Amino acid sequence: QVQLQESGPGLVKPSQTLSLTCTVSGGSISIGGYYWSWIRQHPGKGLEWIGYIDFSGSTFYNPSLKSRVIISTDTSDTSDNQFSLKLNSVTAADTAVYYCARYSLWTHTHNNWFDPWGPGTLVTVSS
Amino acid sequence: SYELTQPPSVSVSPGQTASITCSGDKLGDKYTSWYQQKPGQSPVLVIYQDNKRPSGIPERFSGSNSGNTATLTISGTQAMDEADYYCQAWDTTPLFGGGTKLTVL
Repeated sequence: QVQLQESGPGLVKPSQTLSLTCTVSGGSISIGGYYWSWIRQHPGKGLEWIGYIDFSGSTFYNPSLKSRVIISTDTSDTSDNQFSLKLNSVTAADTAVYYCARYSLWTHTHNNWFDPWGPGTLVTVSS
Repeated sequence: SYELTQPPSVSVSPGQTASITCSGDKLGDKYTSWYQQKPGQSPVLVIYQDNKRPSGIPERFSGSNSGNTATLTISGTQAMDEADYYCQAWDTTPLFGGGTKLTVL
């Protein structure tokens, strides 16, 4: 079955760029039908959707983060099945656990769900 | 902007039925999903498309959605069901409710 794993630095300095990678196994992100998403959870708080990318490279972002976010894929090497998150100009408010997840979205009915999720990675923004 | 509202906490005795609600304007016109999150773990999908259970999710989990309220029901609640539960739907973007802490005592 499909599994996802986040990776990247656990500590980022204020004003710098947070960069994370999600490695997908058990299924190709280049096949249509799914969207590949990032979600974050501030310590002790709820879930916040960041954005997603589809197999063609089309992206859709949370309007509240859109000016600072880039989600991209890297399938140039067939052995890599990854998508990435870059969040620039970070502040302490960006400290959170970041999850990647596969997203199912039926575009006509907007039936949608996230499954499965990666285990998450804690990113702390601090000098 | 559209919001999904959940009660912060719900308590239930073992073996009883727990109901967790999620409210939003005309939520019944949208599809709702539910996630279980245990401490230190990532969320797990327990209900999608209002009332469908993914493979591996026990039958005691069920869902409904009508009017302005979606409900996650756990029948015969077990100690292992103690967790945070989040509802999720689509408005102009994917949205999550604020979460409900289910305590089994």
